[in-house]
Amino acid sequence: EPEVTQTPSHQVTQMGQEVILRCVPISNHLYFYWYRQILGQKVEFLVSFYNNEISEKSEIFDDQFSVERPDGSNFTLKIRSTKLEDSAMYFCASSRGQGALDTQYFGPGTRLTVL
Amino acid sequence: QKEVEQDPGPLSVPEGAIVSLNCTYSNSAFQYFMWYRQYSRKGPELLMYTYSSGNKEDGRFTAQVDKSSKYISLFIRDSQPSDSATYLCAMKGGGSQGNLIFGKGTKLSVKP
Repeated sequence: EPEVTQTPSHQVTQMGQEVILRCVPISNHLYFYWYRQILGQKVEFLVSFYNNEISEKSEIFDDQFSVERPDGSNFTLKIRSTKLEDSAMYFCASSRGQGALDTQYFGPGTRLTVL
Repeated sequence: QKEVEQDPGPLSVPEGAIVSLNCTYSNSAFQYFMWYRQYSRKGPELLMYTYSSGNKEDGRFTAQVDKSSKYISLFIRDSQPSDSATYLCAMKGGGSQGNLIFGKGTKLSVKP
């Protein structure tokens, strides 16, 4: 069964450093998403991406964040200058569409720890 | 007022019990409702997906939506220790909105 994969599973970085989180969505999916989950908190939407551009973003997704689909398979989330409060699980998801029956499938997540 | 409210538990039940998990929401624009299961340090896994008021059954799981009360439920019959996980409700609006709004999740433990 196809699945969303994410690398690395755990990333430790120093405050102020740039990090890139990588995702390989399900191959025939067209919509891609990033969510984050701070320990003990809700899963929160960050951004959705379709046709090589951002389609929606939340207020969390500020200028420190960017997304890219550098090739036909990868989808990345970059945080330019990490802060302590960026420590969280970051989940990538993908869906075929955004219609009534299009569900989002989540990857296993990348645990980001900012020291 | 928070958009989606979900009792975080923890909820502990004996094996074989019927489990009832619930969420309330405030935004009447939500049209589609999902339940995800999340094991520790894993990504959410879709369990059930509904978009109308009423019940939907899949094996031991039943999802119930009451749009008039803005209330959704997930029932698990004959619960098993392997059902021990955190259960997240999620919902989204209609139209082109794709982002999911999640509840905080209810941690369920089924004791053998």
